[in-house]
Amino acid sequence: DQQVKQNSPSLSVQEGRISILNCDYTNSMFDYFLWYKKYPAEGPTFLISISSIKDKNEDGRFTVFLNKSAKHLSLHIVPSQPGDSAVYFCAALTGANNLFFGTGTRLTVIP
Amino acid sequence: EAQVTQNPRYLITVTGKKLTVTCSQNMNHEYMSWYRQDPGLGLRQIYYSMNVEVTDKGDVPEGYKVSRKEKRNFPLILESPSPNQTSLYFCASSLDRNNEKLFFGSGTQLSVL
Repeated sequence: DQQVKQNSPSLSVQEGRISILNCDYTNSMFDYFLWYKKYPAEGPTFLISISSIKDKNEDGRFTVFLNKSAKHLSLHIVPSQPGDSAVYFCAALTGANNLFFGTGTRLTVIP
Repeated sequence: EAQVTQNPRYLITVTGKKLTVTCSQNMNHEYMSWYRQDPGLGLRQIYYSMNVEVTDKGDVPEGYKVSRKEKRNFPLILESPSPNQTSLYFCASSLDRNNEKLFFGSGTQLSVL
């Protein structure tokens, strides 16, 4: 059973606008969350993370929000740029060091 | 350049023929792991290793073996590949167990006929 879910397989956004990628999880034991970005023919690269004791973490144009009560996190990209077009995976980590990935969302930023 | 190197990049084989996908990192990372990526299923962890001679099963370990005899290398072994192991495989490493900033290799596309 998928413990980390990304229900939107794809998302298209105009350049300069906000991109919001969503992720839901089912396991309340997850204590660390991460977002990875993947370009074609490359491995995923780490983007941003958040500890379960926080509700927001910001790094430049990227902000991750965590709503523990709803078991939901989201990645905001503002402003979106064509170079942000990629597949984005959210991931969640348990204290036992098991890392679970979502199915990914393909973001297309239209110039 | 800091990197995780996987070989081969592409591999086509037949059912039952043993194969090894190599993985090497030059960052002196303690933690290494293998994932497979399948459509609609995302990335699933196969095996991981916290340090030399320490390996553990991930989410989907059946049909795979690993070894960690040296810190830098973490090969993935398929003793008797089957078609359901056709997938895109990624090796990854990180400095420690928290998995933050996992560094991934470029992937190995395996097809088992």
